[in-house]
Amino acid sequence: GAVVSQHPSRVICKSGTSVKIECRSLDFQATTMFWYRQFPKQSLMLMATSNEGSKATYEQGVEKDKFLINHASLTLSTLTVTSAHPEDSSFYICSARSEANTGELFFGEGSRLTVL
Amino acid sequence: GNSVTQMEGPVTLSEEAFLTINCTYTATGYPSLFWYVQYPGEGLQLLLKATKADDKGSNKGFEATYRKETTSFHLEKGSVQVSDSAVYFCALSVYTGNQFYFGTGTSLTVIP
Repeated sequence: GAVVSQHPSRVICKSGTSVKIECRSLDFQATTMFWYRQFPKQSLMLMATSNEGSKATYEQGVEKDKFLINHASLTLSTLTVTSAHPEDSSFYICSARSEANTGELFFGEGSRLTVL
Repeated sequence: GNSVTQMEGPVTLSEEAFLTINCTYTATGYPSLFWYVQYPGEGLQLLLKATKADDKGSNKGFEATYRKETTSFHLEKGSVQVSDSAVYFCALSVYTGNQFYFGTGTSLTVIP
């Protein structure tokens, strides 16, 4: 089946620094990718929809200047957490829809961000 | 609107017990329904899906039937194993809206 790869799987950074997380669709083209945030023991919260070649669409309450999303190609979307703070520590998951599979979402492995 | 309601956990079962995790939905249009599983420290993996009413999705001994009359998609397994311990998410997709809606997840722990 379709594969989505996310990197890095774990990252620890100092407060005030920026962190970039990559999401790649390995064997299919994804015009749309989604970024989720998951708090401990909670469900996924959709942060934004990433559209190839255009600006991302952010969900209400998500700071677009804080969470920069770039979708420069049909197989790569990046999420940059700018000026990270401890409250940004979380599990970030990307997903991509495979057009050939009745709209099924394929998920990356997730990236655990810890901000010290 | 579109939403998914999932039974709250956590659920703890002994090995070989029968599992049911309830999921009901509301949707505009004709949704596809999914169960995803998340093992500790990992992302979500598709467990099974159903794209129209009365379809039954099945995988790894798990089953769920798309019931339009009761707007439900309950997950069942006849005999759980320790390796089934994970968090299970029910989800729906209204394709034209390009959006997925997830339940809150149900944590399952299977003890030997």
